[in-house]
Amino acid sequence: GAVVSQHPSWVICKSGTSVKIECRSLDFQATTMFWYRQFPKQSLMLMATSNEGSKATYEQGVEKDKFLINHASLTLSTLTVTSAHPEDSSFYICSAISQAGGINEQFFGPGTRLTVL
Amino acid sequence: GNSVTQMEGPVTLSEEAFLTINCTYTATGYPSLFWYVQYPGEGLQLLLKATKADDKGSNKGFEATYRKETTSFHLEKGSVQVSDSAVYFCALKYQAGTALIFGKGTTLSVSS
Repeated sequence: GAVVSQHPSWVICKSGTSVKIECRSLDFQATTMFWYRQFPKQSLMLMATSNEGSKATYEQGVEKDKFLINHASLTLSTLTVTSAHPEDSSFYICSAISQAGGINEQFFGPGTRLTVL
Repeated sequence: GNSVTQMEGPVTLSEEAFLTINCTYTATGYPSLFWYVQYPGEGLQLLLKATKADDKGSNKGFEATYRKETTSFHLEKGSVQVSDSAVYFCALKYQAGTALIFGKGTTLSVSS
């Protein structure tokens, strides 16, 4: 199946710093990628939809100036958490849609654990 | 709005026991329904899906039937194995190209 990678897999940063998380589709092109956030023992909450070459669409309640998303190519989307604070600590998961072979399926990255001190 | 509700975990079973994880949904129209599995340290993987009422999705001994009348998509397996220990997520998608909406996940722990 299609593979989605994320980097880094975990990161610890100081409060006030910015952190960039990369999401790559390794063997397919993805015009659409999604960013989710997962709290312990809770569901994946959709943060935003990232479309290649255009601005991301953010879900209600998600600060677009805090969570900057860039989808510069068909295989890469980045999420930058700006001026991170402890409440931003979470598990961030990206996914990408593959339409290869007429199959429209969403593939997920392994996630990035962010801890803000 | 669209939402998914699944049973709270954790679910603890002995090997070869029967498994049911309940999932119900709220949606306008006719969504596609999915079960995803997340093994420790790995990303979510599609386990099975159903795209219309009365469809049955099946994979690796797991199955779920899309029940429109009860808005349910319960996951079942007749005989679980230790290797089935994971977190299981029920999800729906309203239309192609849109994001999946997930339930909270149910942790399954199978002991030998």
